[in-house]
Amino acid sequence: QVQLQESGPGLVKPSETLSLTCTVSGGSINSDNWSWIRQPPGKGLEWIANIYYSGTINYNPSLKSRVTISIDTSKTYFSLLLNSVTVADTAVYYCARRLVGSSRMDVWGRGTTITVSS
Amino acid sequence: QSALTQPASVSGSPGQSITISCTGTSSDVGAYNYVSWFQQHPGEAPKLMIYDVSNRPSGVSNRFSGSKSGDTAYLTVSGLQAEDEADYYCYSYTASSLWVFGGGTKLTVL
Repeated sequence: QVQLQESGPGLVKPSETLSLTCTVSGGSINSDNWSWIRQPPGKGLEWIANIYYSGTINYNPSLKSRVTISIDTSKTYFSLLLNSVTVADTAVYYCARRLVGSSRMDVWGRGTTITVSS
Repeated sequence: QSALTQPASVSGSPGQSITISCTGTSSDVGAYNYVSWFQQHPGEAPKLMIYDVSNRPSGVSNRFSGSKSGDTAYLTVSGLQAEDEADYYCYSYTASSLWVFGGGTKLTVL
């Protein structure tokens, strides 16, 4: 079955760009929707963005000016760039799969912890 | 885009039933049958419990059920068990082709 694994730098300095990758294994990335979600320490979940394998993209309006999501279908991964990070971007970042035409977001990665600090 | 409204906490005794509400608007919960519920234990990734308002993925206990009325979705947990103690989040599609989570509800099993 499909499995997801996030990878990231762990620590990012304020004002820098955060780069995250989600590797898809056990299935094809050439279908479904692929999402990024984050959770600040002690807080709730926040939807960041999603991308359909064909390239259709949606962003959370509150982050849209700083976020870029992309997909590499040949290498079976998708990525997130978040620029001009601040301490408020400190969070666990999850990637997830959502089936097309449904709210069924049934496969999640374990999450990667990102700390923004100088 | 505002977060969906959930109660901060609910509680119940083992064997009882509880219901968690998720209130949105006519532009999200009220407009589409694309509402999911996730369970999250401390230190773990969220787990899908209900999707498309009332559908249960295979492997999820039938003690969990979902429904919707107007702009509010509901998650009911019957026959409460100790392992149900967790945070629960609702999630909905919106008219702007975006997605939004609820603020989360902490379920305590007394």
